[in-house]
Parts: sequence; C-alpha cells; structure tokens
Amino acid sequence: TQLLEQSPQFLSIQEGENLTVYCNSSSVFSSLQWYRQEPGEGPVLLVTVVTGGEVKKLKRLTFQFGDARKDSSLHITAAQPGDTGLYLCAGVSGGSYIPTFGRGTSLIVHP
Amino acid sequence: NAGVTQTPKFQVLKTGQSMTLQCAQDMNHNSMYWYRQDPGMGLRLIYYSASEGTTDKGEVPNGYNVSRLNKREFSLRLESAAPSQTSVYFCASRPSGGTEAFFGQGTRLTVV
Repeated sequence: TQLLEQSPQFLSIQEGENLTVYCNSSSVFSSLQWYRQEPGEGPVLLVTVVTGGEVKKLKRLTFQFGDARKDSSLHITAAQPGDTGLYLCAGVSGGSYIPTFGRGTSLIVHP
Repeated sequence: NAGVTQTPKFQVLKTGQSMTLQCAQDMNHNSMYWYRQDPGMGLRLIYYSASEGTTDKGEVPNGYNVSRLNKREFSLRLESAAPSQTSVYFCASRPSGGTEAFFGQGTRLTVV
C-alpha cells in the first residue's frame, strides 16, 4: 500500500521553466523528506521538513510541509539540465524512523 | 569514506536459484534497511533491522530472508528466485536519532 501519492509521475520541461512536484497523503507524518536519485545511483537526501507550514530553501529548490503535516511540495525555479532525475518524497511516522516512499516523479530538463 | 557498499552490482539468476545480496556500512549506524525499486513503484521496504540482533518484516517480505550479521553488515537472501523478484535492490542505513537514510548504489537483479 502506497501511503504517499506523488504527482505528476513524469515531467519533461525546457531549461529555465519552473515546476512543482506534489506529495500527498491521508496520514500524518512526524517528518517528510525529499530525495533525488540519478540513474544507476541510490537516492540522496535533499531536505527534511518537520514542522507543519515549514518552508525550506535549497538554492533554486523550495520545499514546503503542509500545515496538517500530510502533504508537501517541491518547487524548482528556473530548472537546469542538472536537475534531471527522480524525485522521491518519504514520510516518517512517529518513532519508527522507517521512511515510507512515494512512487517518485521523473524529471527531465531539456537544454 | 565508503558509506554503504552493496555487492554485487549486477546479477542474473535462473528461476529457482538462490543468492545472497551483501550490504555493509562503515558509518556505525544502528538501523539498516532493504528496499526494492520497480518502475513506477518507488521504493518498497522488504526488511529492516533497528539494531544488531533484531530484524523485522517490511511491506514486501515474501520470498526473502535477512541476516544482521553484526553492526556493519545486513544481508538479503533469496532462497528460490522467481521472475517477480527481478528488481533493483537498495540497502540503506540510518544513525540513531537521525532521520536521513543513506543508500548504497543498488544491486540490479534479473531472474530469468
């Protein structure tokens, strides 16, 4: 059972465009993480958000955690080809510390 | 710093064969995980180990067994491989008190 729904599943855009990826759930999470995965590699953590309403910025990437801690978004401004990859959100519940992953959003940024 | 090391990187098995996927971490992490990744399915948890000497089932444990050999090593065994087990397998570890999971580079397994 996938507790986290990501949308869109695929995104193909031109360099310089903006985009937003969504991660939604009916469950409340104690924290939510975003990972980026390149072909042939394991996922690498981008950010962890823990407080409802929290906004974190990482250069051109902006992450937001919903007020109810059930959803999150990732916004990329002026996308570059180097942003190409699979973006995964992962929720962590209570004291389990076991990340539960969404299906991922595959992003391709064309030069 | 090696981080999380998985071996082998690639493997082809015939249906019914057995094999063990190896994972070792050098970060002194307590928790270790095995996930499988299939197209369009994200990462699904097979087994995890919260600490040395303990293992628990995840979302998709059928057909797999694990061994937490010591704090560094967590192996995944397929006793009788099936085509449905064709996937990319990732091992990950996490430090006590932290939420970030550190992943290996994966093992791409094909069962024919």
